[in-house]
Amino acid sequence: AQSVTQLGSHVSVSEGALVLLRCNYSSSVPPYLFWYVQYPNQGLQLLLKYTSAATLVKGINGFEAEFKKSETSFHLTKPSAHMSDAAEYFCAVRNRSNFGNEKLTFGTGTRLTIIP
Amino acid sequence: KAGVTQTPRYLIKTRGQQVTLSCSPISGHRSVSWYQQTPGQGLQFLFEYFSETQRNKGNFPGRFSGRQFSNSRSEMNVSTLELGDSALYLCASSLTGTKYYGYTFGSGTRLTVV
Repeated sequence: AQSVTQLGSHVSVSEGALVLLRCNYSSSVPPYLFWYVQYPNQGLQLLLKYTSAATLVKGINGFEAEFKKSETSFHLTKPSAHMSDAAEYFCAVRNRSNFGNEKLTFGTGTRLTIIP
Repeated sequence: KAGVTQTPRYLIKTRGQQVTLSCSPISGHRSVSWYQQTPGQGLQFLFEYFSETQRNKGNFPGRFSGRQFSNSRSEMNVSTLELGDSALYLCASSLTGTKYYGYTFGSGTRLTVV
């Protein structure tokens, strides 16, 4: 069974500093990987996805993530944090080998706080 | 292009009652999935429908059920509500068959059971 681990349930960074949110997956084959963001009282918004094209994936709002098979990781980064980035971030995985199975498995989330 | 629409946004129900939540996917999206989000358990998969058929189901009791209509709209029903069913219920739609797409989520229905 596939799973996702997000290291750090809370991360605080200063405005303008680098944002790094960690995600490691466990899967028998490299899966599809996603990062979602959730603002208070909102649903989930897709930031970016990895689907076996380029290993460095660029998303919205200046975020990017790099798929590293050797490390089974898909960490999310942003060079310079903005106050509007304060939210909860979820890493998710879907098994690519089971085509047609649309189930996403989510990590436990990382709450990002931006310090002015 | 309209997003995924979930109604109602907020619900308050009493223990023992039943509730029906609605989800209208993005036009052209034929797969609809439901997730439950709670502080303790996080985001958990409930079920997924495609062409009016349930293709996948999570580990939830039989009190949780759903269906999909011919226009891809979906409903989920929870019978005999328990306090622990209080949660944010999220619906997501996707372009099945084009596996390189992600899933678009609605804003959710926040259910409070008292």
